[in-house]
Amino acid sequence: DTGVSQDPRHKITKRGQNVTFRCDPISEHNRLYWYRQTLGQGPEFLTYFQNEAQLEKSRLLSDRFSAERPKGSFSTLEIQRTEQGDSAMYLCASSRDRAVSYEQYFGPGTRLTVT
Amino acid sequence: KNQVEQSPQSLIILEGKNCTLQCNYTVSPFSNLRWYKQDTGRGPVSLTIMTFSENTKSNGRYTATLDADTKQSSLHITASQLSDSASYICVAFTNTGNQFYFGTGTSLTVIP
Repeated sequence: DTGVSQDPRHKITKRGQNVTFRCDPISEHNRLYWYRQTLGQGPEFLTYFQNEAQLEKSRLLSDRFSAERPKGSFSTLEIQRTEQGDSAMYLCASSRDRAVSYEQYFGPGTRLTVT
Repeated sequence: KNQVEQSPQSLIILEGKNCTLQCNYTVSPFSNLRWYKQDTGRGPVSLTIMTFSENTKSNGRYTATLDADTKQSSLHITASQLSDSASYICVAFTNTGNQFYFGTGTSLTVIP
């Protein structure tokens, strides 16, 4: 169990560019979540997967955002045509299905800065 | 509306002192409540998880309480240490839609 990892840890991009983040969950965790967190706020839910199926999407996830988990293991979050308002910390978390408490383990996050 | 509110927004205490953070939630149907510690620039780390049938749970110097009737929870930190400086986030979970509702956190600063 090596924990949830995210890559890159930091990303600076110019407005209008596309960016892609990767999340590697804890092995055998079949649930994977994406959150966005801005300074001084708690994480905001974006979307979650059970295995490769994307089961829930927040209204925060505009058409410019897309997430995939093609083989039910790692996941990617892509933001197209980035805007300054996309600047935030993007957190990934994973949990084991059927766990009584659905304990979530968070990754270190990817901090995105759009200039 | 499902939401979680925390107070105070920020808190400064002297090293060695105790403190209590508050959380009110209106999540329904309620399944469990969690407290996370988040160091600056890092992901949250779970401290406690309590179901509606549990009143208190401890994790070292951290003790969480839950009153499911009044929908209130508290996190008590005893004998604070400088390393306790972080944001503490309260999260309510509902099995309906598998949704987590996060509070905005309490920023705790422990000074020597």
